[in-house]
Amino acid sequence: ETGVTQTPRHLVMGMTNKKSLKCEQHLGHNAMYWYKQSAKKPLELMFVYNFKEQTENNSVPSRFSPECPNSSHLFLHLHTLQPEDSALYLCASSQDSGAGADTQYFGPGTRLTVL
Amino acid sequence: GQNIDQPTEMTATEGAIVQINCTYQTSGFNGLFWYQQHAGEAPTFLSYNVLDGLEEKGRFSSFLSRSKGYSYLLLKELQMKDSASYLCAVRDSNYQLIWGAGTKLIIKP
Repeated sequence: ETGVTQTPRHLVMGMTNKKSLKCEQHLGHNAMYWYKQSAKKPLELMFVYNFKEQTENNSVPSRFSPECPNSSHLFLHLHTLQPEDSALYLCASSQDSGAGADTQYFGPGTRLTVL
Repeated sequence: GQNIDQPTEMTATEGAIVQINCTYQTSGFNGLFWYQQHAGEAPTFLSYNVLDGLEEKGRFSSFLSRSKGYSYLLLKELQMKDSASYLCAVRDSNYQLIWGAGTKLIIKP
């Protein structure tokens, strides 16, 4: 595997379900990110991890719970979601060099539908 | 507040040239990125500009004017596979990426 992978690619869940999204990066990067992408809206940054430590939590509801066991893996645990949480959830990684040119590389995303 | 503006949708003809504009108002500036995203796929990095001027990469070029808060992505010799959304993002003074909503480019034969 190369780049950034995400599983599952598609997920349909009820509001009372608990599920997890998984992301893995094979680039040797130090930072990982969760984004929410809704139609015709800018990417919304949800969480940032640098060297496994969470450094950003952009006022995300507690029904989204991130986990970063090591610098290559990132999870997003979901519980009691709302229909408005339906979106494409993208994972990204970067070297986190601290430079302006630090480039984020994205996975293909998980298309989440909450019924 | 911080803001990135891009046209929502553009249409162009195969073989032609198209320019996608991006204007920004951010607290500080540490570079501007362009990404391409095909429907249902990952955004992929196209270019990074931090100095004024034009950067050329094959059929794609990206231009930046920091004084005007303006960038454009120029696509030449358009191909059907260029049909995608193009995302503009600016890194602000806190090194946060501020994203535009993207421009959907439709290429017609």
